[in-house]
Amino acid sequence: KAGVTQTPRYLIKTRGQQVTLSCSPISGHRSVSWYQQTPGQGLQFLFEYFSETQRNKGNFPGRFSGRQFSNSRSEMNVSTLELGDSALYLCASSPRDSVYEQYFGPGTRLTVT
Amino acid sequence: QKEVEQDPGPLSVPEGAIVSLNCTYSNSAFQYFMWYRQYSRKGPELLMYTYSSGNKEDGRFTAQVDKSSKYISLFIRDSQPSDSATYLCAMKRGSYIPTFGRGTSLIVHP
Repeated sequence: KAGVTQTPRYLIKTRGQQVTLSCSPISGHRSVSWYQQTPGQGLQFLFEYFSETQRNKGNFPGRFSGRQFSNSRSEMNVSTLELGDSALYLCASSPRDSVYEQYFGPGTRLTVT
Repeated sequence: QKEVEQDPGPLSVPEGAIVSLNCTYSNSAFQYFMWYRQYSRKGPELLMYTYSSGNKEDGRFTAQVDKSSKYISLFIRDSQPSDSATYLCAMKRGSYIPTFGRGTSLIVHP
């Protein structure tokens, strides 16, 4: 079974721009979560989607948004990029709606200059 | 006080050593306890998960949960250089989002 895939793997953007990241979960997984990982803050939860509905949201500003499609694929968008948004963005899918068992993708490394 | 505390290390051990990685937590409502391994420039990989207290073994890895002390451990027997990675603990209750530790960097030298 193919793992979680994320595109693109690397991205360089300029401050003020916006970016869209994509995630394809493991086949059959309906829950998708997004995380931001930085050396200073570790792994921080952004949001979780289940069956196209946002079920949980972390403590991030409204510039961070996401959505999930009917095929469980998910996208997250960051508008008006700031230097502090430079991070590894990870997507994780779960085979159950309890999200205790998560399988992470390789991440998208975003650099904001 | 952070909800989950984990020593960032690095923890450096010789090949073949028994490694002990630990996390402490403050929320007694946590029910699920997970360990992830993350290699450099990769996403975290789920190693083991346990529900409530007790031990769970999988090959060279043993996860231990002590809810009375709010303390969890991951033991790695016969450690190998390929075990060199960052190990993250995570905890969860019910349908709430999981809480992750900051990770411990492990270096196993030949």
